[in-house]
Amino acid sequence: NAGVTQTPKFRILKIGQSMTLQCTQDMNHNYMYWYRQDPGMGLKLIYYSVGAGITDKGEVPNGYNVSRSTTEDFPLRLELAAPSQTSVYFCASTMGRSPLHFGNGTRLTVT
Amino acid sequence: DAKTTQPNSMESNEEEPVHLPCNHSTISGTDYIHWYRQLPSQGPEYVIHGLTSNVNNRMASLAIAEDRKSSTLILHRATLRDAAVYYCILRDYWGRSNSGYALNFGKGTSLLVT
Repeated sequence: NAGVTQTPKFRILKIGQSMTLQCTQDMNHNYMYWYRQDPGMGLKLIYYSVGAGITDKGEVPNGYNVSRSTTEDFPLRLELAAPSQTSVYFCASTMGRSPLHFGNGTRLTVT
Repeated sequence: DAKTTQPNSMESNEEEPVHLPCNHSTISGTDYIHWYRQLPSQGPEYVIHGLTSNVNNRMASLAIAEDRKSSTLILHRATLRDAAVYYCILRDYWGRSNSGYALNFGKGTSLLVT
């Protein structure tokens, strides 16, 4: 099992550009999450999904969109990148009460 | 969610035991104590969890105070590979919150091993 795979690992965007952060998991987990982590801080929940076709906002959803068309994939879309979105983004998944499994993150810089 | 308090940072020598404390004075009877760690440039990974009794696994031990208002993650012999940020998180037994089964990660304790 590959676990949770995130691509790309690094990306530099100009202000106003758009991009999609990819996340896929091969553990057949129902629940998937997107977090962001600013330097020296904990993780903040952006969006989550409880199953294919069902998504909802977390603590800091502004400026992002998600979709969940399959159990495996949970992409995160940035439509108009802003410097405040410079961060490390982590995708995670779980079956429920079992531990969360995280990817290794996407480091995004917006200049 | 009940809150946890951890020191910002700790230092340890290699091959020595490390005791990472966590205070959770407002813990409820159905809250499990979870520990995750985040190695440099990686996502968090699960370490251990427990409810009332002390727990051991291949990575660490978890000692829980009798009143459950504090707990300690014990690394028996720290190595350089244990240098990471350690997060203490409370999760209700049922796990379900307003955000599915998401966990709230604070700043954690940054462990330096030399």
